[in-house]
Amino acid sequence: DAGVIQSPRHEVTEMGQEVTLRCKPISGHNSLFWYRQTMMRGLELLIYFNNNVPIDDSGMPEDRFSAKMPNASFSTLKIQPSEPRDSAVYFCASVAPGGIHQPQHFGDGTRLSIL
Amino acid sequence: DAKTTQPNSMESNEEEPVHLPCNHSTISGTDYIHWYRQLPSQGPEYVIHGLTSNVNNRMASLAIAEDRKSSTLILHRATLRDAAVYYCIPINYGQNFVFGPGTRLSVLP
Repeated sequence: DAGVIQSPRHEVTEMGQEVTLRCKPISGHNSLFWYRQTMMRGLELLIYFNNNVPIDDSGMPEDRFSAKMPNASFSTLKIQPSEPRDSAVYFCASVAPGGIHQPQHFGDGTRLSIL
Repeated sequence: DAKTTQPNSMESNEEEPVHLPCNHSTISGTDYIHWYRQLPSQGPEYVIHGLTSNVNNRMASLAIAEDRKSSTLILHRATLRDAAVYYCIPINYGQNFVFGPGTRLSVLP
């Protein structure tokens, strides 16, 4: 079975550019999470969706970050304009219906470098 | 949210059992205890979870103290592939997962 698919795996771009990260959750899962991981701050939850609706975006660092989930099989995380401090590994995770007993399934992440 | 304390790092020899401790003394009565691990260059993966009783699955066992203020993840025979960062996460309905620094496990051949 295909797991959570993230693209691109690596992204290097110059500051000020728009960056779009993509995530395809596991089919049948109804919750989707975006995390950011850095050495300094560890793994942080940015936003999560339930049934395609954003439920908690309190972890989104600032207005430069936005996330969408237009349908059950696709989500994007956009940074515009990007800054060097946004450099991190961004993970997407999806969860099947059933509440906190269900495990989160993570993708392999997108390693983002802003020069 | 319950606070957790885990050792920063641990070492084990291959094919020996490993006991990874977690202290969660502020846990509430209805918090579940989840364990995840993160292999190098990968996203975290679910290991096991429990509430009060000890739990076993194909990956590991989870021993939960009677007062629930601590738990121990047990890998029965460590392999090189088990080298990872292990996260202990108490969580309840309506809460989000909070990943702390975890324990970095090294497995020596």
